[in-house]
Amino acid sequence: DTGVSQDPRHKITKRGQNVTFRCDPISEHNRLYWYRQTLGQGPEFLTYFQNEAQLEKSRLLSDRFSAERPKGSFSTLEIQRTEQGDSAMYLCASSLDTSSGNTIYFGEGSWLTVV
Amino acid sequence: AQKVTQAQTEISVVEKEDVTLDCVYETRDTTYYLFWYKQPPSGELVFLIRRNSFDEQNEISGRYSWNFQKSTSSFNFTITASQVVDSAVYFCALSEAEGGSEKLVFGKGTKLTVNP
Repeated sequence: DTGVSQDPRHKITKRGQNVTFRCDPISEHNRLYWYRQTLGQGPEFLTYFQNEAQLEKSRLLSDRFSAERPKGSFSTLEIQRTEQGDSAMYLCASSLDTSSGNTIYFGEGSWLTVV
Repeated sequence: AQKVTQAQTEISVVEKEDVTLDCVYETRDTTYYLFWYKQPPSGELVFLIRRNSFDEQNEISGRYSWNFQKSTSSFNFTITASQVVDSAVYFCALSEAEGGSEKLVFGKGTKLTVNP
């Protein structure tokens, strides 16, 4: 399978704990995105990487959230001191930057439940 | 600010019926892209189509067709002869094309249920 893969697919954690999600983009895709989706809503943009550089962060990304893409390949999204409001699906996506624009491909998402 | 509106929250049809999902968008950009994604219960967003704002030709792919009308800022999606496997949430999305991240702004989605 050469699509975007995310791990873990499901995570249940107690409030106050830290969680980390991993995303492996499509090979050779230089752009990587994180989105968050809550029930009944469309995905909302969190942050974006061009290679290893984090170029844009949404105001939704509080100080408890940190994302990295250390070698320009896989990425991690860490949430510290989780709160119940963090319960959502976290979607990773990737694309190849071309002069004719990007098609953004999504992974299956990582479901987070904070209890 | 960019905005996408999918006014239909839920649609229910009987198999073999045609169904149209509406999408209206707002943007100040002259160059932008429009997308449709399908999200089955498994959660993955499946890419269906990307349309450049300069290309207003309608597109057909099998049972799927898209009607892009810049004059009304709409990008509607029609499924012909619907099937049970078409049941999913469908999202319309918009991205700016010039510079920046080209991040997507999504509508709230339309849940389509196709009954046998």
